[in-house]
Amino acid sequence: AQSVTQLGSHVSVSEGALVLLRCNYSSSVPPYLFWYVQYPNQGLQLLLKYTTGATLVKGINGFEAEFKKSETSFHLTKPSAHMSDAAEYFCAVSDFSGNQFYFGTGTSLTVIP
Amino acid sequence: DADVTQTPRNRITKTGKRIMLECSQTKGHDRMYWYRQDPGLGLRLIYYSFDVKDINKGEISDGYSVSRQAQAKFSLSLESAIPNQTALYFCATSDPGTGIGYTFGSGTRLTVV
Repeated sequence: AQSVTQLGSHVSVSEGALVLLRCNYSSSVPPYLFWYVQYPNQGLQLLLKYTTGATLVKGINGFEAEFKKSETSFHLTKPSAHMSDAAEYFCAVSDFSGNQFYFGTGTSLTVIP
Repeated sequence: DADVTQTPRNRITKTGKRIMLECSQTKGHDRMYWYRQDPGLGLRLIYYSFDVKDINKGEISDGYSVSRQAQAKFSLSLESAIPNQTALYFCATSDPGTGIGYTFGSGTRLTVV
């Protein structure tokens, strides 16, 4: 089974600062990779995904992530944090069959005014 | 209307009671899933179904059962609720092979007292 590791269960950044949320996966075969965001009292929304092609993926709300096969990583970044970015972020992977997704344990992002 | 609808949104029940959580979708997806979310543990798969006649256990199926009444409906039952089943429950659907990821419902917050 695949596994997903999100380093840092809580991350705090100042408004306007760089956001970096880390995600590493274990897989011998490049998987599909996803970032989901969960705002308070809501379900999970797809932020961005990597399937094939360009390794730098752009998502909604100014977020982007880069698939680095050599590092088995898919870190999420945003150049300038906004207060509305405060949420829980989940990294997930699936294989090409799409039979099952594996989620990380989540990173809670706090944005400090 | 939401693509994936979960009912109820919130529920408080007593230990030993049977409770059913319902999920319906308008995505036309064959695959449906039930997850539970606990702080610090991320999302863990309870059951999943690839079509009406296919039901599979996830990593934490003990104490739960499911019913796939139709392509659009997938319900989760707790036969005899216990306090450690207090959690946020999510239903999700997916379209396999396209790598588009899951579509999640808004969740059901269940408290067992």
